[in-house]
Order: sequence, then C-alpha cells, then structure tokens
Amino acid sequence: DAGVIQSPRHEVTEMGQEVTLRCKPISGHNSLFWYRQTMMRGLELLIYFNNNVPIDDSGMPEDRFSAKMPNASFSTLKIQPSEPRDSAVYFCASSFNGKNYGYTFGSGTRLTVV
Amino acid sequence: RKEVEQDPGPFNVPEGATVAFNCTYSNSASQSFFWYRQDCRKEPKLLMSVYSSGNEDGRFTAQLNRASQYISLLIRDSKLSDSATYLCAVRTGGGNKLTFGTGTQLKVEL
Repeated sequence: DAGVIQSPRHEVTEMGQEVTLRCKPISGHNSLFWYRQTMMRGLELLIYFNNNVPIDDSGMPEDRFSAKMPNASFSTLKIQPSEPRDSAVYFCASSFNGKNYGYTFGSGTRLTVV
Repeated sequence: RKEVEQDPGPFNVPEGATVAFNCTYSNSASQSFFWYRQDCRKEPKLLMSVYSSGNEDGRFTAQLNRASQYISLLIRDSKLSDSATYLCAVRTGGGNKLTFGTGTQLKVEL
C-alpha cells in the first residue's frame, strides 16, 4: 500500500496567488481529512469528508479556503488568494469510518506564502 | 479550556529511563483515544490506540482514566530513537473527527 499521497511536498508562492494542494487517500478508506499544522496552533482540522461528502467544514478559516473530493481517490484543498498567514504544513489523512480507527497521514505539503 | 491538552515539555531523559506523559480531555463523552508519534518535519504516525482496560505494545503502555478525563503513555527503557513529539488524539461525538493535542516533546539522551 502506497499510503496517503500528497502533492506537492513543498510550495512557495507569492501573496495573492492561488494554491492547490492534492491528496490521494488509501484505497478503501472512506473518510478523508485536511489538517493544518503550525507551531502556535498545532494540528487543526480544516474539513473532513465521508464517502466523498463534506461533513464538517467548521475549521475552514475563511472563504478563501475551499476543498473538494470529486471521487473516492482524490481531494484538493485550494487557497485563493493566498496570504502569508496561510504558511503552514498541510496534512491530508484518511481512515475507515468508525470510532475505533485512527488516521493515516500523508507526508504533508509545506506551504510558504511570501 | 482546550478540548485536548498536553504538557509541551521537553522531557529530557537518559537512555534506559521510564517516562510518562499525560493528556487531558474536556468532553466526558469522548469515545476513543489514540497516541501518535511525530518526528521533526514528518507526518504524525499512529503509535497505539488506548483501550478502556489499558493496553501494552512492547515498551509502550497506554491507559485511560475516564473519571479524571485523561490518557497516559508510559515508555519503559527509553531509546535514543524514541526522541520525538507525542500527540494524543481524542474522538468525541458521533462523527469521525479527531482532535489533537499540541504534543509533548521527548528527548532521550546518552
């Protein structure tokens, strides 16, 4: 199993540009999560999907952030326009849906907005 | 009060020592609990689930205290390779969402 695959690994962009982060979950997992990690705030859940349907997007900071999951094997997180305060590591994770299951994380995208 | 709280550390211990971390959670309805390990500039990796009766995996022991609303992780015979940040995670409510603590940093020294 290839695990959760994220791309790109690193992204440096200028303020105001659009940024798209991509994630391929583990095959068979039916829940997908987008987290953001910073030194100050730790791991924060942005949004999660069950069976490709967004369930909880209360962590999405602003309308500048949007996420889609068009099928069971792909999800995107888009920031438009990006701002320096969006600089963080963005993790995607997937799991089976159920209280006894932990998540498997991807290796993350390190985003720097200058 | 934060939903999940951890002492950030760092905990500096000599190799071979026993070290324990606690993680407190605020919602008494929380249902499932996990410990993750995160190495510097890497993703969190699931270390172990925490079961009501406590559970052990080699040198690692996890326990749940529902009355006082905390979970603990005990590491025996610490190795240099145990140096990492340990995150606790708590699932509350009917959804599949995990809330993570900010992590406890462990440094095992010669």
